[in-house]
Amino acid sequence: GNSVTQMEGPVTLSEEAFLTINCTYTATGYPSLFWYVQYPGEGLQLLLKATKADDKGSNKGFEATYRKETTSFHLEKGSVQVSDSAVYFCALSLSGGYNKLIFGAGTRLAVHP
Amino acid sequence: EAGVVQSPRYKIIEKKQPVAFWCNPISGHNTLYWYLQNLGQGPELLIRYENEEAVDDSQLPKDRFSAERLKGVDSTLKIQPAELGDSAVYLCASSSRTGAEQYFGPGTRLTVT
Repeated sequence: GNSVTQMEGPVTLSEEAFLTINCTYTATGYPSLFWYVQYPGEGLQLLLKATKADDKGSNKGFEATYRKETTSFHLEKGSVQVSDSAVYFCALSLSGGYNKLIFGAGTRLAVHP
Repeated sequence: EAGVVQSPRYKIIEKKQPVAFWCNPISGHNTLYWYLQNLGQGPELLIRYENEEAVDDSQLPKDRFSAERLKGVDSTLKIQPAELGDSAVYLCASSSRTGAEQYFGPGTRLTVT
């Protein structure tokens, strides 16, 4: 079936450290891929997306590249801030849009000063 | 622009009691979603509405769960009777149309004792 697997958290980093959160997927067809972020007490927000192989999504210093050959969509940021502390969800959609989102379990990131 | 509003934010009930959650989507959004988020997991779609019509309720446990979206605006999700395993966060999201970006509310955290 269709699924998303994320690295387990929590991920604990010092401010200005490099971040990688791994995400791999299993899907029939050609999914669109997304990263969502959930700050404490708030709803999920779309962070970035990629709709086809080799696309790179980017936003707020975060990046992720759609790798079809490794079925991966790893999230990276060169220098994290305390304000990046949140839960990050990788997701896919098979319908070409935002319908039928299938989420990973989420990875909690804690950034310390 | 106001976001998706959900109430209550927290609810504690005893098992076998009924409970209801309310969602007010972003103004003008025709599509409304209810998701279930168990602890340590990503959201899973329960039901999707297009205006007043439930177009995808295949994941809604219909023996105890029900939902309605009268007049195609606000929506209510009900559980009757609640079971211990229903303890989770219930998320509401809306989008301008099916397939467009979904905007999430902060969720209702339900604890069944």
